[in-house]
Amino acid sequence: NAGVTQTPKFQVLKTGQSMTLQCAQDMNHEYMSWYRQDPGMGLRLIHYSVGAGITDQGEVPNGYNVSRSTTEDFPLRLLSAAPSQTSVYFCASRGQGAGELFFGEGSRLTVL
Amino acid sequence: AQRVTQPEKLLSVFKGAPVELKCNYSYSGSPELFWYVQYSRQRLQLLLRHISRESIKGFTADLNKGETSFHLKKPFAQEEDSAMYYCALSYQGAQKLVFGQGTRLTINP
Repeated sequence: NAGVTQTPKFQVLKTGQSMTLQCAQDMNHEYMSWYRQDPGMGLRLIHYSVGAGITDQGEVPNGYNVSRSTTEDFPLRLLSAAPSQTSVYFCASRGQGAGELFFGEGSRLTVL
Repeated sequence: AQRVTQPEKLLSVFKGAPVELKCNYSYSGSPELFWYVQYSRQRLQLLLRHISRESIKGFTADLNKGETSFHLKKPFAQEEDSAMYYCALSYQGAQKLVFGQGTRLTINP
């Protein structure tokens, strides 16, 4: 049982480049979310989805796009990377209600 | 606005000593509170949630609505408790989870 899988684990981008962080879960969870983790700031919610075809913004959505075409996948897109987006990104999913969030291993992104 | 505050970025205690990681929240509704932990080279994972009232790995946390706190406690620290701990608040019908800044706990031998 893989749980939540994120790729890539590491990525270096130049300012202005675009990329997609992939997230997939095999637990049939309806809820999926993306967080960024920065020193001294904890984890901040970027976007979330409560089911296929439904997405919404979190605390820090600017500069990021998401889509949810299937229950399993929830990719995070950076259309034009900026140095301020250098961070560790976590994807997480859970079933119905306010239950346990299951996290991926994280993706470390550096924007030069 | 919903907010979670963990006042200590770093906490260091000796093995066998009591541990208390502080968490205060700001929320006008009925809170759902959690503690998550990230051990070295492991994924972030749930430690405990207030509604379950469980003791996990010797840790307990009591919700104090009067003081808007959800402090994490353990009477006797062990070296394997060294980790990053995050307090989190669920709101908006459980659609959003806001995390505190985290406390890095180090247990000295």
